[in-house]
Amino acid sequence: EVRLLESEGGLVPPGGSLSLSCVVSGVTFIRHGMSWVRQAPGKGLQWVAGITGSGDDTYYADSVKGRFTISRDNSRNTLFLHMNSLRAEDTARYYCAKMRSVMATATFFEDWGQGTVVSVSS
Amino acid sequence: QSMLTQPPSASGTPGQRVTISCSGSSSNIGSNYVYWYQQLPGAAPKVVMSRNNQRPSGVPDRYSGSKSGTSASLAISGLRSEDEADYYCAAWDDSLNGYVFGTGTTVIVL
Repeated sequence: EVRLLESEGGLVPPGGSLSLSCVVSGVTFIRHGMSWVRQAPGKGLQWVAGITGSGDDTYYADSVKGRFTISRDNSRNTLFLHMNSLRAEDTARYYCAKMRSVMATATFFEDWGQGTVVSVSS
Repeated sequence: QSMLTQPPSASGTPGQRVTISCSGSSSNIGSNYVYWYQQLPGAAPKVVMSRNNQRPSGVPDRYSGSKSGTSASLAISGLRSEDEADYYCAAWDDSLNGYVFGTGTTVIVL
């Protein structure tokens, strides 16, 4: 059984930083691209960032480029999202998602975690 | 980040057929596969349609997908109460170099 378990989010002041992690089990982690997708309260889904299975290639939404960094540790089956310069509009539930293939593009989000809540407020 | 356009809601009675549209552009739907995700209340999304019209394992054949030009649609036939959820289309966008999601459609079973 595939499982994706995100770390706990939290409350962060505007301009602050927070790191999320996602531990994946039940699959050969390196064979799958990974992504972060978020959902603001009462709103729709928004893709945030993606990374290939090897970690060599990363992709970002314009709204987070330069502020967020996606990375992975294949020896620990773990995906990360480092978030800097957080803004109120970054408040959302953040989902970790496993891609169908080793790519981070031209494929789909096959499995999802339950998400973790990040709140940006003073 | 631009989004794909979906109607806010769609409804039907049990047994009816409901169709959800998804409108994009040449850089996303026009040149890449479309995927559809179902999000039940309080749950994480789940893929219900892959590569325009391919049902992943476990998705009932009441679900079907299609794509034409820069638009796509998801149809649910034989509507059941458990189909009541939010549905999102998604596609890779070559111009943005990222994924775009639809605005979401809430399916209501009357």
